[in-house]
Amino acid sequence: DAKTTQPPSMDCAEGRAANLPCNHSTISGNEYVYWYRQIHSQGPQYIIHGLKNNETNEMASLIITEDRKSSTLILPHATLRDTAVYYCIGMDSNYQLIWGAGTKLIIKP
Amino acid sequence: KAGVTQTPRYLIKTRGQQVTLSCSPISGHRSVSWYQQTPGQGLQFLFEYFSETQRNKGNFPGRFSGRQFSNSRSEMNVSTLELGDSALYLCASSLWSPGRGAYSNQPQHFGDGTRLSIL
Repeated sequence: DAKTTQPPSMDCAEGRAANLPCNHSTISGNEYVYWYRQIHSQGPQYIIHGLKNNETNEMASLIITEDRKSSTLILPHATLRDTAVYYCIGMDSNYQLIWGAGTKLIIKP
Repeated sequence: KAGVTQTPRYLIKTRGQQVTLSCSPISGHRSVSWYQQTPGQGLQFLFEYFSETQRNKGNFPGRFSGRQFSNSRSEMNVSTLELGDSALYLCASSLWSPGRGAYSNQPQHFGDGTRLSIL
């Protein structure tokens, strides 16, 4: 079973920040949280991952709550090309990613 | 640096046939995983290889098999194809290696998949 819970869909206006929430209350203390996105007909694209501290890279920022029960992926200036399904993912004990249904993010002009 | 390459991109087969899909990982990556993606089931883990050894296997029938070569390239094979095998098959590679250390949390990087259609 997926270890994470995400809203099935979200909208965001182009140019605004897109904030995608994820609940991972059952994740263990030493498990990383990974974010991927998948644009139609392409393979999943790695975005970012984190353990305890907030992380930022050229694509996005990841804010993890202090209790590690939830996190938020932030796309600072969403463009139409950011329309995709976003997955927040945990790992099982064999270091395999456990995929849920993700959040379908639609960026509107 | 080249990404994960999967061939072919599209494939059409008929029931009962077999198929072999190929994956070339990112240079330096020794861990290769395979996934099946369908609209109804989402992404499901098939198996993972590290240094030519299958390390993990998902809950799929024995018709699904794979292997990894000494250069880390991997193939998966599906025999006696069924209509339900129609899916996008994804390969991912990673710097992950067994044990603790800096490589234990390395992300997987995916190819664009092989879309298999069974008629």
